Amino acid sequence: IAGITQAPTSQILAAGRRMTLRCTQDMRHNAMYWYRQDLGLGLRLIHYSNTAGTTGKGEVPDGYSVSRANTDDFPLTLASAVPSQTSVYFCASSAAGGRGEQYFGPGTRLTVT
Amino acid sequence: AQSVTQLDSQVPVFEEAPVELRCNYSSSVSVYLFWYVQYPNQGLQLLLKYLSGSTLVKGINGFEAEFNKSQTSFHLRKPSVHISDTAEYFCAIGGGADGLTFGKGTHLIIQP
Repeated sequence: IAGITQAPTSQILAAGRRMTLRCTQDMRHNAMYWYRQDLGLGLRLIHYSNTAGTTGKGEVPDGYSVSRANTDDFPLTLASAVPSQTSVYFCASSAAGGRGEQYFGPGTRLTVT
Repeated sequence: AQSVTQLDSQVPVFEEAPVELRCNYSSSVSVYLFWYVQYPNQGLQLLLKYLSGSTLVKGINGFEAEFNKSQTSFHLRKPSVHISDTAEYFCAIGGGADGLTFGKGTHLIIQP
């Protein structure tokens, strides 16, 4: 069982470019999440999806978009990257939404220059 | 609204000594509490969770935490730490529609 996979592992991106971070889970969890982790700020929620076909905004959604066409995939898109989006991005999933534990992917380290 | 406060950004402790990492929370809904550990360059791994029932929760790697409703706390403890426990520890609260709210983390530094 792979759990959650994220791609790419790391990326250097020029400012203004479009980028999609991929996230796939094989646990058939209904809920999925995207976080960014920055030193001293912990994990901050970008977007979430409680079930396929629905999405919601988290604490820091500006500059990011998501889609949830099916249960397994939850891609995160930066339409026009800016240096402040340099961060480590984690995807997570949960079988029970806010009442259950989340399982995390290994992360994507993104540098916007 | 929910929030989590981890009172210490960094905790140095000698190997084989006990440790307590502090976590306080605020919530207006049912409380579900979690501790995660993050080793360098890795994702987060669940240490333990409190959903209901016994207020003393035991987790992996010898860690335990106690849910204290009156003090709105969920402190993490280990009676004897090892070098391998060096990591970042995150307290989190659930119960909302948008998943978990995380604290800013506590860096546990084990000194030989």
